[in-house]
Amino acid sequence: NAGVTQTPKFRILKIGQSMTLQCTQDMNHNYMYWYRQDPGMGLKLIYYSVGAGITDKGEVPNGYNVSRSTTEDFPLRLELAAPSQTSVYFCASSTLSGENGYTFGSGTRLTVV
Amino acid sequence: AQSVTQPDIHITVSEGASLELRCNYSYGATPYLFWYVQSPGQGLQLLLKYFSGDTLVQGIKGFEAEFKRSQSSFNLRKPSVHWSDAAEYFCAVGTGYGGATNKLIFGTGTLLAVQP
Repeated sequence: NAGVTQTPKFRILKIGQSMTLQCTQDMNHNYMYWYRQDPGMGLKLIYYSVGAGITDKGEVPNGYNVSRSTTEDFPLRLELAAPSQTSVYFCASSTLSGENGYTFGSGTRLTVV
Repeated sequence: AQSVTQPDIHITVSEGASLELRCNYSYGATPYLFWYVQSPGQGLQLLLKYFSGDTLVQGIKGFEAEFKRSQSSFNLRKPSVHWSDAAEYFCAVGTGYGGATNKLIFGTGTLLAVQP
């Protein structure tokens, strides 16, 4: 049972480039999330999804886009990378009840130069 | 607005000593509260959670936390710290519509160092 899988683990982008961070889960969880983690700032919610075809903005959505075409996959798209998007990105999932908390991926460390 | 405050950015304890990490929350209704631990280069792992009932909850790795509504706190404790407990600890409150356990808001974390 793989849980939540994120790819890539590391990436360096140039300003203005685009990329997609991949996230897939094999637990049939309804909810999926994208957070970014910056030193001393904790985790900030970027986008979340309550099921296939349904997404919504979190606290810091600007500069990002998401889609949820299947239960398993929840990719995060950066269209025009900026240095402010240098961060560690975590994908997570949870059941409808959330009673077991989140299952997190191992993260993607992104640097924009 | 909902929020979580972890007042201690960094704590150092000696191995074998007791530990208490502080967490205060702001939430209008009955909160759903969580503690997570993050080892270097890893994702977050759930330590324990509070939904309702007994205000003292037990978690994995010998951790416990006590919910105190009057103080809006959910402090994490461990009676005897091991070197392997060195990590960053995050408190979180669930805020989601229709399922307040979802859509977590996290505190800024407390980095725990353990001295031999």
